[in-house]
Amino acid sequence: GESVGLHLPTLSVQEGDNSIINCAYSNSASDYFIWYKQESGKGPQFIIDIRSNMDKRQGQRVTVLLNKTVKHLSLQIAATQPGDSAVYFCAETEAAGNKLTFGGGTRVLVKP
Amino acid sequence: GAVVSQHPSRVICKSGTSVKIECRSLDFQATTMFWYRQFPKQSLMLMATSNEGSKATYEQGVEKDKFLINHASLTLSTLTVTSAHPEDSSFYICSAGTSGKDTQYFGPGTRLTVL
Repeated sequence: GESVGLHLPTLSVQEGDNSIINCAYSNSASDYFIWYKQESGKGPQFIIDIRSNMDKRQGQRVTVLLNKTVKHLSLQIAATQPGDSAVYFCAETEAAGNKLTFGGGTRVLVKP
Repeated sequence: GAVVSQHPSRVICKSGTSVKIECRSLDFQATTMFWYRQFPKQSLMLMATSNEGSKATYEQGVEKDKFLINHASLTLSTLTVTSAHPEDSSFYICSAGTSGKDTQYFGPGTRLTVL
């Protein structure tokens, strides 16, 4: 379901280190998961996606891991850069192309 | 490819007026468009799903007579906030997708401020 909060959890990471952002989902029927990055005042930007028949998918500097047993999704960013500073949202849907349910979001702050 | 635009990017209006926000898919045909609202430091909340040529499906708690959605073509959907009040001030974001395809592409958002 929808996730609403008064503040966003924040992950502070040193430039060059790896970042791990976690997301728990509740709908066991969800079949497709996406990570989005949102910079201040902008719309969400697609980062990487994964289907429920996979448990890992890699992109450029990013890896998504899916654990369906515990309904957990994570995003790993390798060698975090200042440009990675943003809010990251996970989203889930029961079928590709259908409406998305967004997680609460995590703010990533990259320290130089 | 897969670019979605919104217009205007920012609008300030007086209480009681109506505001129209446009969402366009620039380089693909969007069979489905979604409208979200986002309050500061919060996640995106889906307002409605709009399929081309048919009536929008609104989420629970969203007033369909207040938030009018039109999806008259495969590249354009509009959201009209009628009789806007200060509590309607928010960041409105649209996304567009194609039937059978995986990813939704998001617009840059519209900041609405109602005085």
